[in-house]
Amino acid sequence: GENVEQHPSTLSVQEGDSAVIKCTYSDSASNYFPWYKQELGKGPQLIIDIRSNVGEKKDQRIAVTLNKTAKHFSLHITETQPEDSAVYFCAARPMNTGFQKLVFGTGTRLLVSP
Amino acid sequence: DAGVTQSPTHLIKTRGQQVTLRCSPKSGHDTVSWYQQALGQGPQFIFQYYEEEERQRGNFPDRFSGHQFPNYSSELNVNALLLGDSALYLCASSPPGQDYNEQFFGPGTRLTVL
Repeated sequence: GENVEQHPSTLSVQEGDSAVIKCTYSDSASNYFPWYKQELGKGPQLIIDIRSNVGEKKDQRIAVTLNKTAKHFSLHITETQPEDSAVYFCAARPMNTGFQKLVFGTGTRLLVSP
Repeated sequence: DAGVTQSPTHLIKTRGQQVTLRCSPKSGHDTVSWYQQALGQGPQFIFQYYEEEERQRGNFPDRFSGHQFPNYSSELNVNALLLGDSALYLCASSPPGQDYNEQFFGPGTRLTVL
């Protein structure tokens, strides 16, 4: 089945710096890749997603890139702010399951210091 | 719009007991998925309900069962609780008519099994 690996597990940056989180997936047929932000005591919040027919997508300070050949996708956060501190999860939707099951990475704890 | 709601927020049970968790999807959504999130891990897919039927299931034993009601709300039942069932249980809902079905998560129910 699909396996999603996520790196790094922790990331510390200074306010204003950029942060990059990388994921790889194993099922080449996966076609949907969302990113979630989870704050302490809360459920995951969808922040951006990308479909397999698109290479890059941006939303203000957040961007996601997808390399289908290498089976990599990455989250880029520019001009980080302390409120960006949270755990970020990548996920992939394997097509062979037929429906909308998501397979998640293990998470990246991002700490943005003022 | 209230978003996805779950109840209860926290629950403490002892081994061997049974538990029922509840989820109300976001307004206009018709598909409900359940995930288990162990501490420090990404969510793991349990199953998905659509049109009151379980249409996809992850690698969870039959002790985990569910139900979807005509108003699209859903329940997750776990029988014969084990210590390893302690986790955050997340419900996610999806809107109809989209190929990629973004999933929006609720705040979760924290289950502790003693």
